[in-house]
This record gives sequence, C-alpha cells and structure tokens, in this order.
Amino acid sequence: SYELTQPPSVSVSPGQTASISCSGDKLGDRFVCWYQLKPGQSPVMVIYQDKQRPSGIPERFSGSNSGNTATLTISGTQAMDEADYYCQAWASNTDVVFGGGTKLTVL
Amino acid sequence: QVHFVQSGAAVKKPGASVRLSCEASGYTFTNYKIQWVRQAPGQRLEWMGWISAGNGDTKYSQRFQGRVTITRDTSATTAYMELSSLTSEDTAVYYCARTYGDHGNFDYWGQGTLVTVSS
Repeated sequence: SYELTQPPSVSVSPGQTASISCSGDKLGDRFVCWYQLKPGQSPVMVIYQDKQRPSGIPERFSGSNSGNTATLTISGTQAMDEADYYCQAWASNTDVVFGGGTKLTVL
Repeated sequence: QVHFVQSGAAVKKPGASVRLSCEASGYTFTNYKIQWVRQAPGQRLEWMGWISAGNGDTKYSQRFQGRVTITRDTSATTAYMELSSLTSEDTAVYYCARTYGDHGNFDYWGQGTLVTVSS
C-alpha cells in the first residue's frame, strides 16, 4: 500500500522559516494537500494541488512537490502556526492516504 | 457557505455499533463525495472511506473493510457512517469532509464527533 512519511516534529523560532517534508514513492506524480490541525479544532486545508493556497490562508504558507518529496514551507512563522500538519494524497483513483503528521513547535 | 454538522458524542460498549451523521449545507450535495476520517488520541489522521453523494458509490479503506458502511440520504443532504464490532481502539474523533471529483481536496470539514468505546 502507498505510504507517506513525515518527520514527527519540527521546531522553529518565531519569524523564521519552517519546512515540513512529506515523502512517498514518485510523490511528484500526484497532487499533495496539506492540512493544519490544532487541538480541539477540525483540520484546515492550507495548501492544495501541491502549491495552491485556499482563500483566507496567509501568504506565508507555500508548497512544492517534486520527485519523491513534497514540502510545506511557512515563512515568517508565527506562534499561531503551532499545530500538527498532515500531508495527503490519493494513493490510487479511489484510496486516500495521509502522512503520519508533523508537530510544529514555535519556540 | 459550506457547512457540515455532525452528530453528537457517543459512548459505546465493546462489540456494539455506532452510526454517525453528517448534515451538509451551502452547496449542491450530490456534486461531491463525502469522506470519513478519524483521529484516535495521539494518533494520525486515518482515512476510512467515502461515498459519492450523487450515485451512492462507496469505497472503504481495507483497514475497515467489512466493519464500515457509509450511506447517504440526498433528500436530507446527510451522510452516515456506521462502524461495527467496536473495540477500545475505535475510540476517536470522527470527521466528515467533502471532496470534488476523482482526486479532490478535503476543503471543508465537519466539527468532528467523539466516539468513546468503553465497558
């Protein structure tokens, strides 16, 4: 079965750039979405189709996807960005897969 | 605006079944799939399956095959997810969300329903 691998945790200082990776076999051939999940809240889509930003999502969120790795980048990270982040792709025409999630700590 | 309202928290005993609902509004219900995703305490998001709200086609994760059934009522713009043979490992928050087309994005999510399985 298709798998997506993320680092369990990433730490960043306020104002710096955070990068969260998501790896999978030939992931660049698929579209990747990224979701932000804060405690007690529902997931929020922050990037879709690799690099598109939904309306209402700050410009500091960006994405890329090539080869076997997709990356979510948060520039000028703020305390409010502290959350768990999940990548997601379609493993086939019918099945969905999520990465294991990355806890972003802003310290 | 797109909005999902999920049913309230449930407490079930091991071996029982649970049926959750997800009422959609603010868009054409039959144009989208409804997905079900869960998150157990301290665990990752886990995809369970989807239903095409238009024609009723379903697809379930192999992990839940045989235990999960997703249905919908187009007149009520509501999707349902039933999970049977519950164990403590099914204690989780269950979310519904919508996607469009074959490889859509999970652009709107419900508020989640906590299911607790305990004897």
